[in-house]
Amino acid sequence: DTEVTQTPKHLVMGMTNKKSLKCEQHMGHRAMYWYKQKAKKPPELMFVYSYEKLSINESVPSRFSPECPNSSLLNLHLHALQPEDSALYLCASSQAPLAGVIAQYFGPGTRLTVL
Amino acid sequence: AQSVTQLDSHVSVSEGTPVLLRCNYSSSYSPSLFWYVQHPNKGLQLLLKYTSAATLVKGINGFEAEFKKSETSFHLTKPSAHMSDAAEYFCVVSHPTGNQFYFGTGTSLTVIP
Repeated sequence: DTEVTQTPKHLVMGMTNKKSLKCEQHMGHRAMYWYKQKAKKPPELMFVYSYEKLSINESVPSRFSPECPNSSLLNLHLHALQPEDSALYLCASSQAPLAGVIAQYFGPGTRLTVL
Repeated sequence: AQSVTQLDSHVSVSEGTPVLLRCNYSSSYSPSLFWYVQHPNKGLQLLLKYTSAATLVKGINGFEAEFKKSETSFHLTKPSAHMSDAAEYFCVVSHPTGNQFYFGTGTSLTVIP
């Protein structure tokens, strides 16, 4: 099973709302990632969790707050977003670093629209 | 440092003709290389990965890629395009630590009936 699931598929929120994106994998992967993707662009890395600890934060604004409750789950908490934050948010997972050639497996994404 | 350059932002082929999507990489280390496909409003799907076991890598849906160290290339090919191949394709190189991935800018493949 190489499936990564993400909920919700679509989300529309106002600039004062608080919402969360959820990601789950059951492949035993110990690294999980959040990416932001704008139309016609490659994914941009936001955060990396390795063994449930935040290992990379690509200078993401504090209105995005990641959380990794356990090795299978990854959340992205959203608060006071701006319209320019509208994008496809992708979650990915991979085996632990240094475990040979590591490939990422992506979820289907959450299409976020900020009004 | 690691980076990839996808030489064509858009490729158009007729159904049933060969596909060639070009990727050149730069890496200070022995690279790990990948090709992903993304259909509209979908996530990225792994097509194939280079593991250094063989220079010709076979992937899903009839795609394959050849690693050429002398040319620092990892071009993606398919003998016969299908309408369902129309999508965005990303070439990716990973950092040796294994948890950072560097994406090319993507190649949009159009298949003409």
